[in-house]
Amino acid sequence: EVVMTQSPATLSVSPGERATLSCRASQSVSSKLAWYQQKPGQAPRLLIYGASTRATGFPARFSGSGSGTEFTLTISSLQSEDFAVYYCQQYYNWPFTFGPGTKVDMK
Amino acid sequence: QVQLQESGPGLVKTSETLSLTCTVSGGSINSYYWSWIRQPPGKGLEYIGYISYGGSTNYNPSLQSRVTISVDTSKNQFSLTLTSVTAADTAVYFCAREAWGASYTHLDHWGQGTLVTVSS
Repeated sequence: EVVMTQSPATLSVSPGERATLSCRASQSVSSKLAWYQQKPGQAPRLLIYGASTRATGFPARFSGSGSGTEFTLTISSLQSEDFAVYYCQQYYNWPFTFGPGTKVDMK
Repeated sequence: QVQLQESGPGLVKTSETLSLTCTVSGGSINSYYWSWIRQPPGKGLEYIGYISYGGSTNYNPSLQSRVTISVDTSKNQFSLTLTSVTAADTAVYFCAREAWGASYTHLDHWGQGTLVTVSS
């Protein structure tokens, strides 16, 4: 099983600041990596797929990069609606696995 | 716009069987792969398994001995059964769609989730 790790566990950021979230896979997952945003009481929502393609409905301040085992989600200028938990997920090897999440909260 | 809605009992007794159904609206269940994911309270996400519109399945090895996923294309629904449940199976259960009509891809539509509590 591919183990996904995320850092940091919590990221405290002020509105307008840049947020950088990391995701690491225990073995290569090529570019088969997705990011999801989850707000309290809601289902996860697809944010990024193929490591770098932004899903419909998300603004350009969200960007994803990386391949192989190291991936990054960047929020260039955090807005109030971006405070949430972000999960990465690999879909290269079965069983597909999620990281433990990074909570982005207000500083 | 495709919408998914989970339904089923919110409380299941220890050692009994958990059964949930996901109803797909706004689109056909055909030509896609459909998944179940769960999230224990306050914890992360675990992939349970998926089924194709044709009925082929793949289950997480950690749950394989207890899980069955089935599809009813006439009702535009797919279902999850999990046998011999314990408190560790208490979670919010989500159904979701794999994108592009293929497996080994991301999840582009999710249901709102349903909390299932296992208790004696």
